[in-house]
Amino acid sequence: QSALTQPASVSGSPGQSITISCTGTSSDVGGYNYVSWYQQHPGKAPKLMIYDVSKRPSGVSNRFSGSKSGNTASLTISGLQAEDEADYYCSSYTSSSTWVFGGGTKLTVL
Amino acid sequence: QVTLRESGPALVKPTQTLTLTCTFSGFSLSTSGMCVSWIRQPPGKALEWLARIDWDDDKYYSTSLKTRLTISKDTSKNQVVLTMTNMDPVDTATYYCARINYYDSSRAFDIWGQGTMVTVSS
Repeated sequence: QSALTQPASVSGSPGQSITISCTGTSSDVGGYNYVSWYQQHPGKAPKLMIYDVSKRPSGVSNRFSGSKSGNTASLTISGLQAEDEADYYCSSYTSSSTWVFGGGTKLTVL
Repeated sequence: QVTLRESGPALVKPTQTLTLTCTFSGFSLSTSGMCVSWIRQPPGKALEWLARIDWDDDKYYSTSLKTRLTISKDTSKNQVVLTMTNMDPVDTATYYCARINYYDSSRAFDIWGQGTMVTVSS
């Protein structure tokens, strides 16, 4: 199972919006609405931010939103804040009943 | 409150077998819909899913690592154990365990342990 494709880095200024893409195949992203997104600060464990493509767990800011079109999922962060600076990983359930992660995207808040 | 904590050796030698334990609280792995997965992250690199065990003892493994991995659970102790054979320096990573709750956050890893760093070196 190949890793999902994410941009290595994105950046934005405080208050702006950014979008991170996550491209897979019809066997993972395109085949199921089981895409999730994780935020990871340096030295910390990942934190679930979005599940089932667009659902937010309790306690996650509504500035975070997710969507999907075909084999590509996207995470959008609006009203960018300094504390959003982190690595972001997408993940998808697959046709093999396994999971695959993306390569990660480093978000820099300018 | 749901918590998970990984434990195991910080250093293993090449060719040795690694045994990691995930001790959890706040849920039962005998409850329908509950699963625990292992995920690893080499220094400076991306997350990699390794294995999963379900409430009904179904087990699933990474295709590329399945010949080296074994996952098991002890429901009475609230523990999940992962063994990885024939360790190599490329297996140096932080190893995380994480929960999946089908009836809450579906197929996502909603709660993670803090991770345990394993270095493979002679």
